[in-house]
Amino acid sequence: GIQVEQSPPDLILQEGANSTLRCNFSDSVNNLQWFHQNPWGQLINLFYIPSGTKQNGRLSATTVATERYSLLYISSSQTTDSGVYFCAAPANSGYALNFGKGTSLLVTP
Amino acid sequence: NAGVTQTPKFRVLKTGQSMTLLCAQDMNHEYMYWYRQDPGMGLRLIHYSVGEGTTAKGEVPDGYNVSRLKKQNFLLGLESAAPSQTSVYFCASSLGGKAEQFFGPGTRLTVL
Repeated sequence: GIQVEQSPPDLILQEGANSTLRCNFSDSVNNLQWFHQNPWGQLINLFYIPSGTKQNGRLSATTVATERYSLLYISSSQTTDSGVYFCAAPANSGYALNFGKGTSLLVTP
Repeated sequence: NAGVTQTPKFRVLKTGQSMTLLCAQDMNHEYMYWYRQDPGMGLRLIHYSVGEGTTAKGEVPDGYNVSRLKKQNFLLGLESAAPSQTSVYFCASSLGGKAEQFFGPGTRLTVL
């Protein structure tokens, strides 16, 4: 199946800083999702972004499908942004989302 | 509009006991999924369904059974629980096979 790799694995930011999280995938995709898993374990949908750029408040995402990567930008980070960020994509032949191992983000006051 | 809901939220079982996890969605989605998440890892697919009355195996199906008798419900059963099934279980649904998936809040299961 498709391999999804995320970097960096861990990130510590001071409140107000910006960051970029990266997701590389091993094959072409027609669906890519970014999730935030908060400290209570809930998986929050951030973006459904097979290609192009989307923005939602302080967060934005870009997927370059031809080069097999996606980026998640967090601007002016807040302590509530802490948690684990996952990207996930299905294999073209299947339905399951293949998840990366996540980027664990800690935003300190 | 509750989205995807799961019951129970927490459960502790003894080895060999059985239980059923219930997932319900009110978005009229055709596709439903059961994933498990283990510490430090992303989610892995257990079983999925592409419509009422259909089910199929995912990446890690052993030890689990599922049923989709109604479009809005997807049940995950453990017939004889094992400690290796200690995990957090997430249900998800989507309009189609490549569409955005929406997740429930999860069920934390411990098997002693």
